[in-house]
Amino acid sequence: ETGVTQTPRHLVMGMTNKKSLKCEQHLGHNAMYWYKQSAKKPLELMFVYSLEERVENNSVPSRFSPECPNSSHLFLHLHTLQPEDSALYLCASSQGGSTSYEQYFGPGTRLTVT
Amino acid sequence: GQSLEQPSEVTAVEGAIVQINCTYQTSGFYGLSWYQQHDGGAPTFLSYNGLDGLEETGRFSSFLSRSDSYGYLLLQELQMKDSASYFCAVRKQAGTALIFGKGTTLSVSS
Repeated sequence: ETGVTQTPRHLVMGMTNKKSLKCEQHLGHNAMYWYKQSAKKPLELMFVYSLEERVENNSVPSRFSPECPNSSHLFLHLHTLQPEDSALYLCASSQGGSTSYEQYFGPGTRLTVT
Repeated sequence: GQSLEQPSEVTAVEGAIVQINCTYQTSGFYGLSWYQQHDGGAPTFLSYNGLDGLEETGRFSSFLSRSDSYGYLLLQELQMKDSASYFCAVRKQAGTALIFGKGTTLSVSS
């Protein structure tokens, strides 16, 4: 595997379900990010982890819970979601520090909340 | 508040040159990045300007004027495969994440 991988690629869940999105980077980076991409809206930063420590949380509802067990893996735990949470969820990684402007994105998970 | 403005759509023909502008208003500025995203694909990094001036990478160039809070992406010798969305993104501080614009959809026709 190379680059940034995300699983699952597609997910349909009910509002009462609990699911997790997984992201793995094979680039040796030390910063990882979760973004939400909705139609007609810019990519919205959700969380930033640097050296496994959460350094940014952009006022994301508590029904989204990130976890970064090590520098290569990032999870987004989902529970009690709302239909407006349906979107493409993108994970990204970067070397962090002075090169955080160059982020490598995974293919995303297309989430549909019914 | 913070905002990045770029045109929502641009159309051009193969072989042409197109310029996608980006103006920004952010509380802090460290540099401007550009990303390309094909339909159904992931955003991919194109270029970065940390200083004023022009950066050239093959057919693509990016320009920044910090005094004008303005930058642009210049695509030359357009090809059909350049049809995609292009996002500008501001890096507010060293070591932090990016703020993205809404993106410009470029359609290249033959």
